[in-house]
Amino acid sequence: GENVEQHPSTLSVQEGDSAVIKCTYSDSASNYFPWYKQELGKRPQLIIDIRSNVGEKKDQRIAVTLNKTAKHFSLHITETQPEDSAVYFCADSGGSNYKLTFGKGTLLTVNP
Amino acid sequence: DTAVSQTPKYLVTQMGNDKSIKCEQNLGHDTMYWYKQDSKKFLKIMFSYNNKELIINETVPNRFSPKSPDKAHLNLHINSLELGDSAVYFCASSQGLPGQGNSPLHFGNGTRLTVT
Repeated sequence: GENVEQHPSTLSVQEGDSAVIKCTYSDSASNYFPWYKQELGKRPQLIIDIRSNVGEKKDQRIAVTLNKTAKHFSLHITETQPEDSAVYFCADSGGSNYKLTFGKGTLLTVNP
Repeated sequence: DTAVSQTPKYLVTQMGNDKSIKCEQNLGHDTMYWYKQDSKKFLKIMFSYNNKELIINETVPNRFSPKSPDKAHLNLHINSLELGDSAVYFCASSQGLPGQGNSPLHFGNGTRLTVT
């Protein structure tokens, strides 16, 4: 929970392409990994999450994969649309479960 | 009908002043938070309360003092404001603790604090 690395910091794709954002964590006891989307000037909102007993979760064009051995998890957005443009944050709860530690965010730009 | 509401939305003040930000949630959640988002968009937790009890107090200067009069409210008072305090402050709430997995954070719309 104390250290969540997120890459890339910026990502630009063409409409219709896929986008992948990756995060790595350090606490092997972490068990909950949400992804938040923050549009410009708005609040962060949960888009998808995954628990450590699951390797993959999908919701329409969005999917999250988790590799506990390597301690990394990824957000996959397929068939990107201009309205997907936003800052995306990964987070993990750490072993203590008391707080979410966020990655530094990825600015995704989808070009029409 | 906003689930997590914070006031004010914008706050412009001079160095040295004292100011407060208020937050209320109508979701019936047990846990509330204050996060600070700086100019680089980094979201960092400051405080967390569970059932009115302080459970997280990150390395925040003593000038910041949270108060939770009841489960639905968490206010933030800042003394002797400094230039570096300029940021967007987000209040959030969750049903239980984040690691429980069924407790996503619901954020308020943020308070943009500018210290001149």
